[in-house]
Amino acid sequence: KQEVTQIPAALSVPEGENLVLNCSFTDSAIYNLQWFRQDPGKGLTSLLLIQSSQREQTSGRLNASLDKSSGRSTLYIAASQPGDSATYLCAVNLNTGNQFYFGTGTSLTVIP
Amino acid sequence: DTGVSQNPRHKITKRGQNVTFRCDPISEHNRLYWYRQTLGQGPEFLTYFQNEAQLEKSRLLSDRFSAERPKGSFSTLEIQRTEQGDSAMYLCASSSPGTGDYGYTFGSGTRLTVV
Repeated sequence: KQEVTQIPAALSVPEGENLVLNCSFTDSAIYNLQWFRQDPGKGLTSLLLIQSSQREQTSGRLNASLDKSSGRSTLYIAASQPGDSATYLCAVNLNTGNQFYFGTGTSLTVIP
Repeated sequence: DTGVSQNPRHKITKRGQNVTFRCDPISEHNRLYWYRQTLGQGPEFLTYFQNEAQLEKSRLLSDRFSAERPKGSFSTLEIQRTEQGDSAMYLCASSSPGTGDYGYTFGSGTRLTVV
């Protein structure tokens, strides 16, 4: 079974700071990896999807990298804003779309 | 297309009652997934449909849980004889192999509280 770990569990930073969220997974034979954002009591919003053949994906201030061989992914957030405060979840897919395995998330607070 | 729609948004029920949730996926997505999320945890896989066929079920899906996807469109998740341990957020997602990436789009979820 795929185990997904996210470190740190919680993070508090001042506005404007750059930050890195970490995700590790035990089975490197993944099909793809997806980062999500979840606001309290809400559903999940997709941020970035990385295929196993890719090394990184970028969207605005977000950059996600993937090192399949070491079982790691990072989500880099540049120039953080209070609106970035949310829980960030990493999920990996072993097969072609059967199910994602999720980490427990990193709760981010950006202080104005 | 307005994305994945889930109804109701919230449901409070007494222990022992049956509840049913509905999910309308993105119209061109043929794959539909149900997940359950408890407080402080990541979502856990429950079941998956490709068109109308239920192809995989988690061991979390006890005999009290049943999911259907008639005609490969919307899906329903029913919980019979609810227990307090069923209190959670139930999330639906859809995807399409047509894009080649199998990325998920999630709905807003149905929060179930069993009292």
